[in-house]
Amino acid sequence: KAGVTQTPRYLIKTRGQQVTLSCSPISGHRSVSWYQQTPGQGLQFLFEYFSETQRNKGNFPGRFSGRQFSNSRSEMNVSTLELGDSALYLCASSMGGATEAFFGQGTRLTVV
Amino acid sequence: QKEVEQNSGPLSVPEGAIASLNCTYSDRGSQSFFWYRQYSGKSPELIMSIYSNGDKEDGRFTAQLNKASQYVSLLIRDSQPSDSATYLCAAQSGGNDMRFGAGTRLTVKP
Repeated sequence: KAGVTQTPRYLIKTRGQQVTLSCSPISGHRSVSWYQQTPGQGLQFLFEYFSETQRNKGNFPGRFSGRQFSNSRSEMNVSTLELGDSALYLCASSMGGATEAFFGQGTRLTVV
Repeated sequence: QKEVEQNSGPLSVPEGAIASLNCTYSDRGSQSFFWYRQYSGKSPELIMSIYSNGDKEDGRFTAQLNKASQYVSLLIRDSQPSDSATYLCAAQSGGNDMRFGAGTRLTVKP
């Protein structure tokens, strides 16, 4: 069974640009959650999608957005990149509800 | 106010010893609890889940949950150098997002 796949693995962007990250969940999983991880802040919850609907949202500015497609694949977009957006972005998929969630390999974003 | 608290460590134990990792949570509605292991530069890997009070054992790992005390722990028996990693505790309630602690860094010395 394939795991959670995130693309790309690495990205270097310039301040002010925008970026789109992709996450393909485990087959059959309908929930996708996104997290930002930095050394100082740990794992910070961005948002969660279930059956194409955003169910939960963390405390991030509107520059961070996401969506989920009918096949449960999800994308997150960050517009007007700032240096502080440099981080490891992780997505996790689950069946939904309070069930086990599995992480992808992450996308390491560097903003210069 | 942090909702999931862990000792940040670092926690150092000798090879073969028992490593004990602790976690408390503030949301009494939390129903599911998870332990993840994260090696440096890698993504978190699920190692244990626990949903009801008591102990749950899986190989060298034992998770313990006490909902009355809002306390979760992870014991690693016969610790190995390969267990050296950051261990993340997470709690979740219903359809809400999973809340993570800051993680405890464990070092197992040969």
